[in-house]
Amino acid sequence: QKEVEQNSGPLSVPEGAIASLNCTYSDRGSQSFFWYRQYSGKSPELIMSIYSNGDKEDGRFTAQLNKASQYVSLLIRDSQPSDSATYLCAVRAGGSYIPTFGRGTSLIVHP
Amino acid sequence: DAGVTQSPTHLIKTRGQQVTLRCSPKSGHDTVSWYQQALGQGPQFIFQYYEEEERQRGNFPDRFSGHQFPNYSSELNVNALLLGDSALYLCASSPSGVAGNTIYFGEGSWLTVV
Repeated sequence: QKEVEQNSGPLSVPEGAIASLNCTYSDRGSQSFFWYRQYSGKSPELIMSIYSNGDKEDGRFTAQLNKASQYVSLLIRDSQPSDSATYLCAVRAGGSYIPTFGRGTSLIVHP
Repeated sequence: DAGVTQSPTHLIKTRGQQVTLRCSPKSGHDTVSWYQQALGQGPQFIFQYYEEEERQRGNFPDRFSGHQFPNYSSELNVNALLLGDSALYLCASSPSGVAGNTIYFGEGSWLTVV
């Protein structure tokens, strides 16, 4: 059973701070990793994908992958109240067409 | 460029009834996946269609069935509805091949079973 674990939160950070969201996965054969943002009552929206160990930056977002530790994280710099949402981690194993999702971490950015 | 479109957006059904949800994939995408998302949970994979065939299926009972049409659009059918089927149903599309790694979601269909 492939598992993707996330702390459900909520994670509360002040405006302007760095928010750090974490995700662990059980399948060592995993090859593709995704972060989705989901606002309340809306569908998930892709933020970033990462495939290799290390960091990948896109604007205020940085995804970090450590395959040896089976750990992927998302950093949000200069957090804004508009970043308040649930962040879903998804992991796809090699040879699989289907990503497995975690239950998501709720992020609250307060002014 | 139209994204993934789903219909209807909201619907209410009675226990025991049947429901059909529809999805049109993003332009250029030929693979459609369906997910169920209960409140406070992550999306749970139901099944994926490619080339009009069910390619992979998650841990859902046979009451859940689907279809893909030649134009790549898809339907999700749920028979004998239970209260526990109340959820957000998400359709996701992707292109086949290496680029098919990434899936893109539609706005979802909210199903309430009473």
